[in-house]
Amino acid sequence: GAGVSQSPSNKVTEKGKDVELRCDPISGHTALYWYRQSLGQGLEFLIYFQGNSAPDKSGLPSDRFSAERTGGSVSTLTIQRTQQEDSAVYLCASSLSLEGPRRTQYFGPGTRLLVL
Amino acid sequence: AQSVTQPDIHITVSEGASLELRCNYSYGATPYLFWYVQSPGQGLQLLLKYFSGDTLVQGIKGFEAEFKRSQSSFNLRKPSVHWSDAAEYFCAVGFILTGGGNKLTFGTGTQLKVEL
Repeated sequence: GAGVSQSPSNKVTEKGKDVELRCDPISGHTALYWYRQSLGQGLEFLIYFQGNSAPDKSGLPSDRFSAERTGGSVSTLTIQRTQQEDSAVYLCASSLSLEGPRRTQYFGPGTRLLVL
Repeated sequence: AQSVTQPDIHITVSEGASLELRCNYSYGATPYLFWYVQSPGQGLQLLLKYFSGDTLVQGIKGFEAEFKRSQSSFNLRKPSVHWSDAAEYFCAVGFILTGGGNKLTFGTGTQLKVEL
């Protein structure tokens, strides 16, 4: 079956521009996560969505980062006024809401962002 | 706060040799532990997970891991490595979020090279 998809696969932008990264979770998965993978910080949790509940934004590094999830499915991560330190691979993951805390997260291929 | 340590940044093994990748975690409660693998340009793929019960866990691709509470370890093993196992391996501990999500905290990864 189809896995988590992300677009674009690569994005090059200029410092100060805004970017939007998209994630399509696995059909039926109500939980959605964003992570960031960078050379300096490794893999970091950014934000978590569960159904229609308010998202857990505890991992967002600054107020330039925001995310939304429309209709409980597709999610967009927006970075405003990008900085060079935002350069990283942004990974999206989704999971079923069943299994309680034992949820397995399935990851997409990521969006590689380069800020010049 | 939870944390994960993977003390080996790089490991090189010969094809057919056995493999052990080390992982130590710090977490106050019963940990949910995971091993993921990432091939170049790919997303993260789950190899195996531990929640409770039998401390020896079997995963995909012939991998297994053993949870040792007394040592706070969750080492990954494979009896005979194949060239296709060359990749980066991440150990992670799951932290339950308010709302039921499972935030993963990752180690810094171990890059595995397989010599033919």
